[in-house]
Amino acid sequence: DTAVSQTPKYLVTQMGNDKSIKCEQNLGHDTMYWYKQDSKKFLKIMFSYNNKELIINETVPNRFSPKSPDKAHLNLHINSLELGDSAVYFCASSLSSGTYNEQFFGPGTRLTVL
Amino acid sequence: KQEVTQIPAALSVPEGENLVLNCSFTDSAIYNLQWFRQDPGKGLTSLLLIQSSQREQTSGRLNASLDKSSGRSTLYIAASQPGDSATYLCAVVNNAGNMLTFGGGTRLMVKP
Repeated sequence: DTAVSQTPKYLVTQMGNDKSIKCEQNLGHDTMYWYKQDSKKFLKIMFSYNNKELIINETVPNRFSPKSPDKAHLNLHINSLELGDSAVYFCASSLSSGTYNEQFFGPGTRLTVL
Repeated sequence: KQEVTQIPAALSVPEGENLVLNCSFTDSAIYNLQWFRQDPGKGLTSLLLIQSSQREQTSGRLNASLDKSSGRSTLYIAASQPGDSATYLCAVVNNAGNMLTFGGGTRLMVKP
């Protein structure tokens, strides 16, 4: 009965590889997000999708491409991984409809680029 | 551009103490403010959400206040316990209601 789930939990890969992180929510929310938490533990939004449409794209390199096949899923694909991409990536979801509700976060995916 | 600052960055207290965590933000045009807890290696757990029209919210031993005009919020933890040890994050929501901006967090250690 997990609300927001992410796979994988850990991802270790070589520089230059392409990888994907998956996110699913079963809360019936219509908005999903990707956040990056760097080594200094600072959390910053990367993308926001509402009803499968991109709403926010915060100066993220175009090597990062989110894909939302439906309202319950928001996947993050990263091309040509770099050392600086090492971080914890969090997915979140919320319900919009003109009123902001709480964002619920997934457990995070720790990405290590060697 | 919204900036959120949390003070102190780290705090160590003996069990049983009451404590206050501070959060300030530069743009007072916010929709609401949310306090989260993050345990090491884990995700974020929402603690309290204060709408911009509210002054405070309470949940158990936690009380969060909001002074939108001065760009400040505080999280008050009463009778702290070792289980409260975690990083506490403050985040403000923009007026469009679709974007959270986080502070750097306060790392709390409650010693038995």
